Amino acid sequence: EVQLLESGGGLAQPGGSLRLSCAASGFNFNSHAVSWVRQAPGKGLEWVSGIRGSGGSAYYADSVKGRFTMSRDNSKNTLYLQMASLRAEDTAIYYCAKEYYAESSEGSFFQNWGQGTLVTVSS
Amino acid sequence: SYVLTQPSSVSVAPGQTAAIPCGGHNIDRKSVHWYQLRPGRAPVLVIYNDNDRPSGIPERFSGSNSGNTATLAISRGEAGDEADYYCQVWDSSSDQWVFGGGTKLTVL
Repeated sequence: EVQLLESGGGLAQPGGSLRLSCAASGFNFNSHAVSWVRQAPGKGLEWVSGIRGSGGSAYYADSVKGRFTMSRDNSKNTLYLQMASLRAEDTAIYYCAKEYYAESSEGSFFQNWGQGTLVTVSS
Repeated sequence: SYVLTQPSSVSVAPGQTAAIPCGGHNIDRKSVHWYQLRPGRAPVLVIYNDNDRPSGIPERFSGSNSGNTATLAISRGEAGDEADYYCQVWDSSSDQWVFGGGTKLTVL
């Protein structure tokens, strides 16, 4: 059974940092790209960042580019999101999601999702 | 960047068919995916590549994509279908995933 378990959420100060993790199991981790998606209170889904199965450069939404860094450790089946220069508008539930393909998003889709971890940015 | 437009809400009577549109420029040239989001639960993929259903999703769920509008159809609507539904595409021009704003489906 595919499982994605996010952790690391909590309260952060504006301008502060936080690192989220997503532990994956039940599938060949390096055979799939993965993404982070968030949902702010009362708002819709917003894609945050993604990374290919082999790792390498991640790709980001304009709203987080330059502030967030996504990475993966295929030896640990774990995904990370390092968040810096946090703003109140970063407050959201953050989900990790497994994509169908490893190295291309054309024709791919988000097969499985985790339950999410809540990040609150407030002083 | 690419924009997907959804109505904020759609209502359907029990037993009838709900249609949730997702508008985008020449969206028929893209693969459209749909997700169901219920409070307190992880999002669930209900339609991928315009009209394919993952295993475990009822046949009542179907999709279509033509021109500038993709549509999620849910036939024989029931109370358990009440949720927020989001369409999604990959925008290759910006290397970004794009979600629609979401549609709240009410069965009443």
